[in-house]
Amino acid sequence: DVKVTQSSRYLVKRTGEKVFLECVQDMDHENMFWYRQDPGLGLRLIYFSYDVKMKEKGDIPEGYSVSREKKERFSLILESASTNQTSMYLCASSFGWGGMEGYTFGSGTRLTVV
Amino acid sequence: KQEVTQIPAALSVPEGENLVLNCSFTDSAIYNLQWFRQDPGKGLTSLLLIQSSQREQTSGRLNASLDKSSGRSTLYIAASQPGDSATYLCAVSTLSNFGNEKLTFGTGTRLTIIP
Repeated sequence: DVKVTQSSRYLVKRTGEKVFLECVQDMDHENMFWYRQDPGLGLRLIYFSYDVKMKEKGDIPEGYSVSREKKERFSLILESASTNQTSMYLCASSFGWGGMEGYTFGSGTRLTVV
Repeated sequence: KQEVTQIPAALSVPEGENLVLNCSFTDSAIYNLQWFRQDPGKGLTSLLLIQSSQREQTSGRLNASLDKSSGRSTLYIAASQPGDSATYLCAVSTLSNFGNEKLTFGTGTRLTIIP
């Protein structure tokens, strides 16, 4: 069974800390995505990557950066965490163009910044 | 910019009824449309994927239709059960500003099946 694994289910961090959210997929997918989900706003795309070391900004990239050094791993970095980054973060992956096999999501990381 | 709308935001129906969830999108230049289910505090589970060249897809009691020209999709759930209670999300696959593929989501319909 294909999987997208997010390293932490729950995370509590202090304001100003540097935070790393890790995502690993075992499907050899080219594309990987980071979303955040907030009540009333739905899922919003932060960053995505279509190849190793390649990335593109999504709709809300401010305050975030990403790293993709290996095909299977996509990291989301909060350089200096703030309380407005408290949210549920979801990672996803897909194969090639046209999403022929659809998208697979991880279980999410609920981040609280205090 | 692609916008995806799901109406209603919440829906409650008695067990056993058939129901329809609606999704609309503003830009018809999509590669595919996908329906997901999300249980409270959990990630997303893919239900059905419809390619842009297809009109519908079926899986068990679920049937999803796509009318690209009018920017609409529906998810039909037959003989609803309490276990169907969840939030249902619609997402469309389109090109980004740099020509890469990305998903845009609706805000979801929270479905409650009343036993």
